Amino acid sequence: EPEVTQTPSHQVTQMGQEVILRCVPISNHLYFYWYRQILGQKVEFLVSFYNNEISEKSEIFDDQFSVERPDGSNFTLKIRSTKLEDSAMYFCASSLRLAGNNEQFFGPGTRLTVL
Amino acid sequence: KQEVTQIPAALSVPEGENLVLNCSFTDSAIYNLQWFRQDPGKGLTSLLLIQSSQREQTSGRLNASLDKSSGRSTLYIAASQPGDSATYLCAPGVFSGGGADGLTFGKGTHLIIQP
Repeated sequence: EPEVTQTPSHQVTQMGQEVILRCVPISNHLYFYWYRQILGQKVEFLVSFYNNEISEKSEIFDDQFSVERPDGSNFTLKIRSTKLEDSAMYFCASSLRLAGNNEQFFGPGTRLTVL
Repeated sequence: KQEVTQIPAALSVPEGENLVLNCSFTDSAIYNLQWFRQDPGKGLTSLLLIQSSQREQTSGRLNASLDKSSGRSTLYIAASQPGDSATYLCAPGVFSGGGADGLTFGKGTHLIIQP
């Protein structure tokens, strides 16, 4: 069964460093998303992406964040200068959104630890 | 802004019981609602998707209902098993006009099924 994959599973970085989190969405899906979950808190929407551009973004998604689909399969989230509060689980999701069905499928997540 | 509340926050029952998990949301202009399961330290597994035009959806021992006008959904789990132990998340989707819309999550119901 097709699934969303994410790499790495765990990333440790120093404050101020740039990180890139990678996702491979389900191959025929057209809509891509990033969410984050700080330990013990709700899953929060960051950004959605369709047709090679950002479709929607939340207040969390500030200038430190960017997304890209560099090729036909990968979808990346870049954090330019990490802060301690960026430590969280980051989930990628994708959906086909056919005939109004926007069921989103999530990857296993990347745990980001900023020291 | 959509707010999602899930009740109860935690539930511990012996196996075999039938359970009802509740979800309420403030913005009834949703296009669908997803129920997810999250195991500790893991990603989100989609359990059921209910379209806004539907009243309920079933998958195996799971049945989800939706009352869009009152902003409520319930997840019914029949004949619970220890393997059902997880956190259950409700996430309604609202059209933003941008086309690829992020989900808003509740804090979840942490369910423990005792053998």
